[in-house]
Amino acid sequence: QPALTQPASVSGSPGQSITISCTGTGSDVGGYNFVSWYQLHPGKVPKLMIHDVSHRPAGVSNRFSASKSGNTASLTISGLQAEDEADYYCASYRSGDYPHVVFGGGTKLTVL
Amino acid sequence: QLQLQESGPGLVKPSETLSLTCTVSGVSTSVSSHCWGWVRQPPGKALEWIGTVYESGSTYYTPSLRSRVSISVDIPKKQFSLRLSSVTAADTARYFCARTNGGTYYDAFDMWGLGTMVTVSS
Repeated sequence: QPALTQPASVSGSPGQSITISCTGTGSDVGGYNFVSWYQLHPGKVPKLMIHDVSHRPAGVSNRFSASKSGNTASLTISGLQAEDEADYYCASYRSGDYPHVVFGGGTKLTVL
Repeated sequence: QLQLQESGPGLVKPSETLSLTCTVSGVSTSVSSHCWGWVRQPPGKALEWIGTVYESGSTYYTPSLRSRVSISVDIPKKQFSLRLSSVTAADTARYFCARTNGGTYYDAFDMWGLGTMVTVSS
């Protein structure tokens, strides 16, 4: 089965809000509340932004929020800042004969 | 501050076995409260979850790599390892080690290493 589906790119101006979608199936995103979001800056350690659909780890800005509806999870970044420009990946538990975790295809966020 | 550091050869020949080790250092952490795993990212491509290991040694792997991959843990040494056999150019990637934020293999990874680039080439 393919990876979770994310838009290849999104963009927004400083101060604006953007939303990144992550679409799966009932065997992953839609069936379980084990969706997480990661931020990747080139050359830096990947950072966990959201876990268990909508929970923010300590230290993550409250400008980052997330939710899920049906088979689609969403990450919203409000009050965009230049430092938010990065690649974002969703991930989800996927059930089956060999349950595992699957990532999305990744979304490049550009802050204009 | 907990740190994870990957180590291993940066170049592996086709058909051989890729072996990487992740060393955990810093603030003491109860390893039984976490699982330890590997993720890779081929150049210009998306992240791919490889698998995770419990302190007990139980493992879970992504189906596409199941027949070739092995992850093990050495608690006293604070290390865990990845072995991927019969590699091809498609296995060329940056390999990250990581820790889950909970005690279940599918929990999110809250601590990551910087990653190490492995190239498969003769």
